[in-house]
Amino acid sequence: GESVGLHLPTLSVQEGDNSIINCAYSNSASDYFIWYKQESGKGPQFIIDIRSNMDKRQGQRVTVLLNKTVKHLSLQIAATQPGDSAVYFCAEMTGTALIFGKGTTLSVSS
Amino acid sequence: GAGVSQSPRYKVAKRGQDVALRCDPISGHVSLFWYQQALGQGPEFLTYFQNEAQLDKSGLPSDRFFAERPEGSVSTLKIQRTQQEDSAVYLCASSIGTSGPLAQYFGPGTRLLVL
Repeated sequence: GESVGLHLPTLSVQEGDNSIINCAYSNSASDYFIWYKQESGKGPQFIIDIRSNMDKRQGQRVTVLLNKTVKHLSLQIAATQPGDSAVYFCAEMTGTALIFGKGTTLSVSS
Repeated sequence: GAGVSQSPRYKVAKRGQDVALRCDPISGHVSLFWYQQALGQGPEFLTYFQNEAQLDKSGLPSDRFFAERPEGSVSTLKIQRTQQEDSAVYLCASSIGTSGPLAQYFGPGTRLLVL
């Protein structure tokens, strides 16, 4: 699978590979985090969320990992498909508003 | 069920015109948010409503921006005397409640171009 240790603006993978997208968040007081997928011309689509009292949460083909010590969040996508191609944003919540990180463009080739 | 809807999807305005952007949140969602997304960037918070009350407008960039939600459902974001720097996608999001951190679900956005 393809993974990145630091945030990179783009990630290219082959269909069937596992993808890992990383995100550094800014506020140690943030208590809730969401990953969104945004396709061209559309609004952000909710993928998975995690609260600060958890380290890991799994969904369908996706896993989110939270490391509060280094303020790091990652999204793992298993068996990446061409339909997964999009921009992925992590967002942190302190209070009510979401603060979005820099997006990562995932390109999946078949 | 129906998601968040926004209208118009595209708006072209001449500099100096006023525009009004509409958001229909998910039925029953108490909280409503507006965000602004510049090209190639992540969304940035503008304002937040809990029912009809505007509880946070700290993200509105100037007094030309005004939002309302008079009956606690549909919301309108109004921009007066539009400037070229207002060109962006305006996103609306809603969440079901108010207690504790809750997921926000986004609409498709209104793409505003100011000429």
